Amino acid sequence: ETGVTQTPRHLVMGMTNKKSLKCEQHLGHNAMYWYKQSAKKPLELMFVYSLEERVENNSVPSRFSPECPNSSHLFLHLHTLQPEDSALYLCASSQESSGRYTFGSGTRLTVV
Amino acid sequence: QKEVEQDPGPLSVPEGAIVSLNCTYSNSAFQYFMWYRQYSRKGPELLMYTYSSGNKEDGRFTAQVDKSSKYISLFIRDSQPSDSATYLCAMSVDTGGFKTIFGAGTRLFVKA
Repeated sequence: ETGVTQTPRHLVMGMTNKKSLKCEQHLGHNAMYWYKQSAKKPLELMFVYSLEERVENNSVPSRFSPECPNSSHLFLHLHTLQPEDSALYLCASSQESSGRYTFGSGTRLTVV
Repeated sequence: QKEVEQDPGPLSVPEGAIVSLNCTYSNSAFQYFMWYRQYSRKGPELLMYTYSSGNKEDGRFTAQVDKSSKYISLFIRDSQPSDSATYLCAMSVDTGGFKTIFGAGTRLFVKA
């Protein structure tokens, strides 16, 4: 157990569906992140929350909507996704902006 | 030009070999350098974290940074089949921001 838990592990959704990804960390970290990992491409930073405030929104389409209700939980709400959004979505946490991330195991998302 | 370049491999070596994994980068402002290991169906885990130039050793792993050449390396001595994974290099300018730039990863296979 890495200390960062993501659910679900796998998700298949149609382009008209609405779903949410959940992330929970028990490390006492104060920053949380969503990353997108596509095959043979570098990790793409999507959103950063520090002390529950969004500090980074990396030009992500509005069909992705993050939510951080407290320092331990992070959600990624999905709606009207496209097939090219199929990827591994990774949640991470860190203490401030140290760069020492703890990642969850990811949610493998397939959009059909 | 990509900010961080990393050969995707795959790299296949026999057990016991010395492995050399490398990344080049273009932004001379990078000061913090990291190596993450990612097993199949898992999130990345932090292996090595170094600041500025020089070497850092941890067991069978040695991280090397050459800022004059904008080149970083990870050496694995006495490689084991359990080292088979994808290795991601990552780097950031400072700890005041939340942007860490990742390489695309090198897939390593260590054959028994």
